Amino acid sequence: QLQLQESGPGLVKPSETLSLTCTVSGVSVSNSNNYWGWIRQPPGKGLEWIGTTYPSGGSNYNPSLKSRLNISIDTSKNQFSLKLSSVTAADTAVYYCARRTGESYSDYWGQGTLVTVSS
Amino acid sequence: QSALTQPASVSGSPGQSITISCTGTSSDVGSYNRVSWYQQHPGKAPKLLIYEVTKRPSGVSNRFSGSKSGNTASLTISGLQAEDEADYHCSSYAGTTTFVIFGGGTKLTVL
Repeated sequence: QLQLQESGPGLVKPSETLSLTCTVSGVSVSNSNNYWGWIRQPPGKGLEWIGTTYPSGGSNYNPSLKSRLNISIDTSKNQFSLKLSSVTAADTAVYYCARRTGESYSDYWGQGTLVTVSS
Repeated sequence: QSALTQPASVSGSPGQSITISCTGTSSDVGSYNRVSWYQQHPGKAPKLLIYEVTKRPSGVSNRFSGSKSGNTASLTISGLQAEDEADYHCSSYAGTTTFVIFGGGTKLTVL
């Protein structure tokens, strides 16, 4: 059974870098049929796609976040990671990792982790 | 790229049917059959209900169905049940610059 679990600090200071890791079990992240993505949800608001990474090493990013964003895969640990730099209060959200099928849909989701940006 | 437009809230009584709309543009919903719908209960992760406009993943009740006409996609829930009370989000592929957009979400209340 495919499972995903987010981990990382729950509190990040403004202007610093938000770093999260998603640990995948039940399937290899290097399987070419699987894409891996991050999606966030500010408190009380809708979902926002952050970006998707592929086993080949390529990535697609939300244009509004692209300049601050890096998503990568670590096949040795069966994980993929998110780094978002120069954060502000607007980046406060629940961050979800998910398996994506192309850029069509997300069928497996982690439970989500709340990241608060505050000094 | 603006978010897809969904009604903020809809409501219905048990046993009734309701439809949630998701309006985009000719650059996203209107151009691609890659609309998906998610159900989200409070404090929980979203759950995939519909993908590629009309397809249901294994295990999702056939009370949930999807459709699309022009730039607007729709989710219909028939035979409303109390456990259907949740937030519903639509999403669409939006091409090779924007890639993926979501709607603002719709809160369904079962009266």
